[in-house]
Amino acid sequence: DVKVTQSSRYLVKRTGEKVFLECVQDMDHENMFWYRQDPGLGLRLIYFSYDVKMKEKGDIPEGYSVSREKKERFSLILESASTNQTSMYLCASSLPVGTVNTEAFFGQGTRLTVV
Amino acid sequence: GDSVTQMEGPVTLSEEAFLTINCTYTATGYPSLFWYVQYPGEGLQLLLKATKADDKGSNKGFEATYRKETTSFHLEKGSVQVSDSAVYFCALYGSGGGADGLTFGKGTHLIIQP
Repeated sequence: DVKVTQSSRYLVKRTGEKVFLECVQDMDHENMFWYRQDPGLGLRLIYFSYDVKMKEKGDIPEGYSVSREKKERFSLILESASTNQTSMYLCASSLPVGTVNTEAFFGQGTRLTVV
Repeated sequence: GDSVTQMEGPVTLSEEAFLTINCTYTATGYPSLFWYVQYPGEGLQLLLKATKADDKGSNKGFEATYRKETTSFHLEKGSVQVSDSAVYFCALYGSGGGADGLTFGKGTHLIIQP
């Protein structure tokens, strides 16, 4: 069974802390994504990566950075957590556009609360 | 760029009612189309997909047909159950959007009452 695994289901962090959200996929996918999901706003793309050490900004990259040192792992970093970063964070992976089965597979989500 | 528009929720239905959730898209070329479902507290799961015009995707009693002439991919189910309560996302994978072409609608919250 294919899997995208996020390291935590729930996290509570303090304002100003550096926060790491980890995501691992076992499907050898080139593309990996980080989204945040908020009520009424749907899924908003933070960053994506199409290869090891490659990254592209999404729609809302401010306050976030990412790291992809290995193909299977994509980390989201909140350099200095703030209360407006309280949200559900979703990681996903996929094959590139043009591949036959270019559907995205999602992790179970991490609900982050910043206090 | 690419975009997906789906009906806003919440949509509230009684058990065994007929369901339609509308989805229309704007894209260049010939995108693949998807419906994802998110149950409470979970990530998104692929519900069904269609990769070319007139294809019908189906799964768990849900169906959607890729209509290129109307740029639509409406989700339907003949008789909904309480367990279908979830948020449903229409999505496309094309060549005109960001993030290597993956574009989502905002989601439709479906509530089924017994």
